[in-house]
Amino acid sequence: DAKTTQPPSMDCAEGRAANLPCNHSTISGNEYVYWYRQIHSQGPQYIIHGLKNNETNEMASLIITEDRKSSTLILPHATLRDTAVYYCIVRRMDSSYKLIFGSGTRLLVRP
Amino acid sequence: NAGVTQTPKFQVLKTGQSMTLQCAQDMNHEYMSWYRQDPGMGLRLIHYSVGAGITDQGEVPNGYNVSRSTTEDFPLRLLSAAPSQTSVYFCASRPMGQGNSHEQFFGPGTRLTVL
Repeated sequence: DAKTTQPPSMDCAEGRAANLPCNHSTISGNEYVYWYRQIHSQGPQYIIHGLKNNETNEMASLIITEDRKSSTLILPHATLRDTAVYYCIVRRMDSSYKLIFGSGTRLLVRP
Repeated sequence: NAGVTQTPKFQVLKTGQSMTLQCAQDMNHEYMSWYRQDPGMGLRLIHYSVGAGITDQGEVPNGYNVSRSTTEDFPLRLLSAAPSQTSVYFCASRPMGQGNSHEQFFGPGTRLTVL
């Protein structure tokens, strides 16, 4: 599975968009990009995933560059409850479904 | 649906004691797994199962046993606890196959301390 690089911390103001970058320059053609978050030692929570195209759901948008070497998770209107550690994970689909969690980005949403 | 439930929430053991961490899910998911999370680090896969009667090792399986006798339950056993097993343990499940099988659902965790 490809290695990912994320900034250790970021902050944004409540109500503004939070843009969390992830670099995965060694990604393979059959590897997906997943985003999970972990709020204060709770179990990780799935946010979104994508393969090539940009994706949007009720929580966030995922923008993947054309060469797939990087991606950005966008929380369009961040709230205080979005303060969490955000993990970008790249993996292919196999029977282990193993998720490799790096150190993630600690997002602080300021009032 | 209760989702993924784990018991106990907290546990303190002495070195050499044994215990079982319980995990149950009511979503009829074929796949279940156990992760551990050490302070300040990401999660690491211990064991996983793709269905009743089928288990396999993850990246850090030593010191842990699992079995899967039903679809709903996936207990994790520590046969002889060691201080290095002090961690937070998360259970996860997901449906298998195509469609909505990308999302894994995590339990609230069990915080284990081994003295």
